Amino acid sequence: KQEVTQIPAALSVPEGENLVLNCSFTDSAIYNLQWFRQDPGKGLTSLLLIQSSQREQTSGRLNASLDKSSGRSTLYIAASQPGDSATYLCAVSFTGANSKLTFGKGITLSVRP
Amino acid sequence: DVKVTQSSRYLVKRTGEKVFLECVQDMDHENMFWYRQDPGLGLRLIYFSYDVKMKEKGDIPEGYSVSREKKERFSLILESASTNQTSMYLCASSFGLAGVSFFGPGTRLTVL
Repeated sequence: KQEVTQIPAALSVPEGENLVLNCSFTDSAIYNLQWFRQDPGKGLTSLLLIQSSQREQTSGRLNASLDKSSGRSTLYIAASQPGDSATYLCAVSFTGANSKLTFGKGITLSVRP
Repeated sequence: DVKVTQSSRYLVKRTGEKVFLECVQDMDHENMFWYRQDPGLGLRLIYFSYDVKMKEKGDIPEGYSVSREKKERFSLILESASTNQTSMYLCASSFGLAGVSFFGPGTRLTVL
């Protein structure tokens, strides 16, 4: 079964810290991987999308990497701020899944002032 | 600015009622999806559509149906609402096999 796992479920860090959020997936045959942010009671906002042929993508203080062979992705957040507090979800589009996404359960990040 | 809109942010219905949740996207995307999100269970796919009048079951289609008569609109129907369908419902759209997914703001449905 194709699965996406995010551990830990929650993380609390002091403001200014650089941090890494992890995502693992069970099948290396993927089209792409996306990282989303979700604020409480809201929809999901796409942060970064990495195609299967890419190794990483960057947007501002965010950098996402992809290692298909090991089934892992990381989201690096530089110089964290209280405004980064949210739930971060990883989603994989597996080959043959006809554009469907398989989501991890997310990591709830709290950045303390 | 690209947009996915959902007809209601909050909805309260009674058991047995027929419920319609509407989703509209303005990006000319072929793919549209309905998910529900529950604490501890994450996002689960209910139905999706990759073209007008096309639909496919997701992981949890029981108790739901969908309609896609126009490319920009994807409706989720609860034929007879039950309390276990109380949830956050999220609509999304995307382009092709490898495009970014855009989500609507969600509808918090409570069935009493």
